[in-house]
Amino acid sequence: QQQVKQSPQSLIVQKGGISIINCAYENTAFDYFPWYQQFPGKGPALLIAIRPDVSEKKEGRFTISFNKSAKQFSLHIMDSQPGDSATYFCAAVGYSGYALNFGKGTSLLVTP
Amino acid sequence: NAGVTQTPKFRILKIGQSMTLQCTQDMNHNYMYWYRQDPGMGLKLIYYSVGAGITDKGEVPNGYNVSRSTTEDFPLRLELAAPSQTSVYFCASSYSGSPSGNTIYFGEGSWLTVV
Repeated sequence: QQQVKQSPQSLIVQKGGISIINCAYENTAFDYFPWYQQFPGKGPALLIAIRPDVSEKKEGRFTISFNKSAKQFSLHIMDSQPGDSATYFCAAVGYSGYALNFGKGTSLLVTP
Repeated sequence: NAGVTQTPKFRILKIGQSMTLQCTQDMNHNYMYWYRQDPGMGLKLIYYSVGAGITDKGEVPNGYNVSRSTTEDFPLRLELAAPSQTSVYFCASSYSGSPSGNTIYFGEGSWLTVV
């Protein structure tokens, strides 16, 4: 059973727009929520991560918003650029866990 | 910086054949992982290792075997390949076991097709 549900499956955004990808989880033992970015033919690479003790984390144009009570978190890409076109995965893991539980991924296309 | 290196990049196998996917890392990481990625399904953990000589099953271990004789290497063995094993395989490593707060570094993937 998918422990992390991610939406949308695909997203098309114009250059300069805001890309928003949403994830939801059920397991309250999760305490670390990373986002990975994957370009075609490459492995996933850590983009940004958050712990549930904060509601927002920002790194450059990338922001994670976290709603602990709703068990939801989202990635916002501000001023989206064609170079941001990639597949994005949210993930979650508990402190004692070894395995990242991945969402199914969102394919983002930023058009010029 | 080589990071996590996987070989081969591409392979076609016939049903029933066996093969080994090689993985090596040069970051002196204790923890290593094998994931498979199927279209639209995210990544699922096959096996992981917490150090040389120690391995354990992940979410989808059936049909695979691993070994960890050195810190650097973590090969994945496919026995009696089946079409269901057609996938992209990623090896990964991290400094410590819990991904919580520790970055997991992925290799570039090995594309396997079983026909």
